Amino acid sequence: GAVVSQHPSWVICKSGTSVKIECRSLDFQATTMFWYRQFPKQSLMLMATSNEGSKATYEQGVEKDKFLINHASLTLSTLTVTSAHPEDSSFYICSARGTSGASTDTQYFGPGTRLTVL
Amino acid sequence: RKEVEQDPGPFNVPEGATVAFNCTYSNSASQSFFWYRQDCRKEPKLLMSVYSSGNEDGRFTAQLNRASQYISLLIRDSKLSDSATYLCVVRPGGFKTIFGAGTRLFVKA
Repeated sequence: GAVVSQHPSWVICKSGTSVKIECRSLDFQATTMFWYRQFPKQSLMLMATSNEGSKATYEQGVEKDKFLINHASLTLSTLTVTSAHPEDSSFYICSARGTSGASTDTQYFGPGTRLTVL
Repeated sequence: RKEVEQDPGPFNVPEGATVAFNCTYSNSASQSFFWYRQDCRKEPKLLMSVYSSGNEDGRFTAQLNRASQYISLLIRDSKLSDSATYLCVVRPGGFKTIFGAGTRLFVKA
């Protein structure tokens, strides 16, 4: 099946720093990538949807200036958590939807990035 | 009302048992339905799509009831390895995907 990678898999940072998370589709081109956040024992919450070459669409309540999303190519999207605070500590997961064939109807998830802000 | 609602459980069942989960959704125009499985601290993985006529994949059976706006997942002959959180997923239309909070299943020896 299609593979999506994320980097880093975990990160610990000090409050006030910025953290960049990369999401790559390894064997298919992804026109659309999604960024989710999951707090312990809670559901995945969609943060934003990004289409290659255009601005991301953020869900209500998600600050676009705090969570910067860039989808510069069909295989790479990045999420930057700016000026991170302890309440941003969470599990961030990206997923990608393909451009053709079977990958168009399925979301393939990355392994997630666990962010801890001290 | 939440867009997708699931009983959080946990469901504690012995090996070999049959267990069923239900999930309700609020948007009657929803078009696609899925069950995902998520292991602790891991990403969700697609278990199966849910088709209008119902579908089966080995020990797993999924059903959709559009009139009552719910989907179900039945697991027969539970294995220890089935222990996980099962996420009900609804796609109202387009690319947006709504996840339920998940139902936790523990299968005991």
